[in-house]
Amino acid sequence: GENVEQHPSTLSVQEGDSAVIKCTYSDSASNYFPWYKQELGKRPQLIIDIRSNVGEKKDQRIAVTLNKTAKHFSLHITETQPEDSAVYFCAARWAEGAQKLVFGQGTRLTINP
Amino acid sequence: DVKVTQSSRYLVKRTGEKVFLECVQDMDHENMFWYRQDPGLGLRLIYFSYDVKMKEKGDIPEGYSVSREKKERFSLILESASTNQTSMYLCASNLSGGTYEQYFGPGTRLTVT
Repeated sequence: GENVEQHPSTLSVQEGDSAVIKCTYSDSASNYFPWYKQELGKRPQLIIDIRSNVGEKKDQRIAVTLNKTAKHFSLHITETQPEDSAVYFCAARWAEGAQKLVFGQGTRLTINP
Repeated sequence: DVKVTQSSRYLVKRTGEKVFLECVQDMDHENMFWYRQDPGLGLRLIYFSYDVKMKEKGDIPEGYSVSREKKERFSLILESASTNQTSMYLCASNLSGGTYEQYFGPGTRLTVT
């Protein structure tokens, strides 16, 4: 079945610097890759997603890149701010027509003032 | 605004008890999901449902069952709770044929003693 590996498990950056979180997936048929953010004590919420027919997508300070050949995708956060501190999860939709998502292990991002 | 609610935020049960966790969504979503969240393991899918009375096993269904008698409600049942089922349980829902975004509930932190 589908497997998603996420690295690093923890990441600490200075405010204003960039943060990058990487994920690899196993099923080459996967075609949808969302990123969820979970603030402390809150529910996960979608922050950005990308489909397999696109190589990059940006939304203000966040961007996601996808390399289908290597089967990996990354979340990039620029000009980090304290409110970016959270746990981030990547995921992959494992098959065409399916609603099931397989999640990575999560990355705890801490922004240091 | 999509709203997914869960019956309890915190629950403490004894080993061997039967435990019911309920999830309700108000957006007429066809698909509903139950995950458990453990540090370092991400979100793991327990069961999901595509329609009323339909259910499919996820990645870790052992020790759990589900019930979906009405479209808006999806229940997770622990037939005989064990200490290794101590975890955060998250419910989610989404629309078939939509954007694939899953909307999460606030979570239930279950402790089995």
